[in-house]
Amino acid sequence: EDQVTQSPEALRLQEGESSSLNCSYTVSGLRGLFWYRQDPGKGPEFLFTLYSAGEEKEKERLKATLTKKESFLHITAPKPEDSATYLCSLLQGAQKLVFGQGTRLTINP
Amino acid sequence: DAMVIQNPRYQVTQFGKPVTLSCSQTLNHNVMYWYQQKSSQAPKLLFHYYDKDFNNEADTPDNFQSRRPNTSFCFLDIRSPGLGDAAMYLCATSRGLAGAETQYFGPGTRLLVL
Repeated sequence: EDQVTQSPEALRLQEGESSSLNCSYTVSGLRGLFWYRQDPGKGPEFLFTLYSAGEEKEKERLKATLTKKESFLHITAPKPEDSATYLCSLLQGAQKLVFGQGTRLTINP
Repeated sequence: DAMVIQNPRYQVTQFGKPVTLSCSQTLNHNVMYWYQQKSSQAPKLLFHYYDKDFNNEADTPDNFQSRRPNTSFCFLDIRSPGLGDAAMYLCATSRGLAGAETQYFGPGTRLLVL
């Protein structure tokens, strides 16, 4: 059964303190791994799609990487506005996204 | 330039009173989805439309129905809401042309059942 596990559940950092969020997955044939950001009371906002091991994508202070078993979301020199829940998801079948529980990130000024 | 629009943003209903949530999109995407997200949980897919073809998830309760009258609009009907149906309901769209397409989410409708 396809599964997505994110760690840690919650992470507190000081502004400027770089770190990484982990997404471990098991899937029979990866068709796409997606990272979303979700602010409280809002819908998920798309960040990245990764399709194959070794692929990397960057956007501002965020960088997503992918291996055959896990994906990392690296946050470099974060700012308070980066505080959010970060969701990792897999495409299951043609259309269904299966989400992890998310990592709630707090950046203190 | 909102792309996926959900109305209302907040909905209060009474136990057992039918309620309809609305989603519209300006992306001309083929696929529209409805997800349920309970507090501190991951979004869970209820069903989706690929054009006019309805695809229900096996574990979606019969209490939940959906309609897609045209490409732009999709509705979620909850026939007899229970207290356990209080959640954020998220609409999403994707092009759906070749699979593995990015899904774009609306802002969500938070449903409260009294």
